[in-house]
Amino acid sequence: DGGITQSPKYLFRKEGQNVTLSCEQNLNHDAMYWYRQDPGQGLRLIYYSQIVNDFQKGDIAEGYSVSREKKESFPLTVTSAQKNPTAFYLCASSIGTSTNEKLFFGSGTQLSVL
Amino acid sequence: GENVEQHPSTLSVQEGDSAVIKCTYSDSASNYFPWYKQELGKGPQLIIDIRSNVGEKKDQRIAVTLNKTAKHFSLHITETQPEDSAVYFCAAPQGAQKLVFGQGTRLTINP
Repeated sequence: DGGITQSPKYLFRKEGQNVTLSCEQNLNHDAMYWYRQDPGQGLRLIYYSQIVNDFQKGDIAEGYSVSREKKESFPLTVTSAQKNPTAFYLCASSIGTSTNEKLFFGSGTQLSVL
Repeated sequence: GENVEQHPSTLSVQEGDSAVIKCTYSDSASNYFPWYKQELGKGPQLIIDIRSNVGEKKDQRIAVTLNKTAKHFSLHITETQPEDSAVYFCAAPQGAQKLVFGQGTRLTINP
């Protein structure tokens, strides 16, 4: 069954702690994306990757880091530099790298600060 | 860069009535406009999209209209059903590699 798997579903971060959100896809898609969702603000792009070992900053990359060592995996690390990390994080992928491509989203990870 | 404004932020309609959600965009070069539906606890799913070479597209009870001159596009849902209750997002491209999303509309269908 193809799709995008995000884990964990819920995650709690302590002050000064880095946490990593997992995103795995078995759709053989080239492009992968991380979005942050806050109430009333839509989806904001954090990072995106169009090919293995390459990624670009989105609109709100500060305090976040990513890696793309494998085509199917695009983990997001929320660092201690991100002062307001509480949000719903969505991973997505698309077949190609054009903005005309359909995005396939995972079910999201809710990150909260303890 | 592209700026997408979406209205209303919340919408409540009676079951069987129609619902309309509107979005405006700023970049006249934008040529692709998708709509995503997000059900509670899930990620968004594409429900319909339109390209700038057409003015309207329909898929059963869902339609999208595009006015390139005015730079706005709208989602129309007819004969609404309880399963239409969700958050809906419009989007428009910014450059060749990114989509900019609207703020979202929470649609509630009242029985």
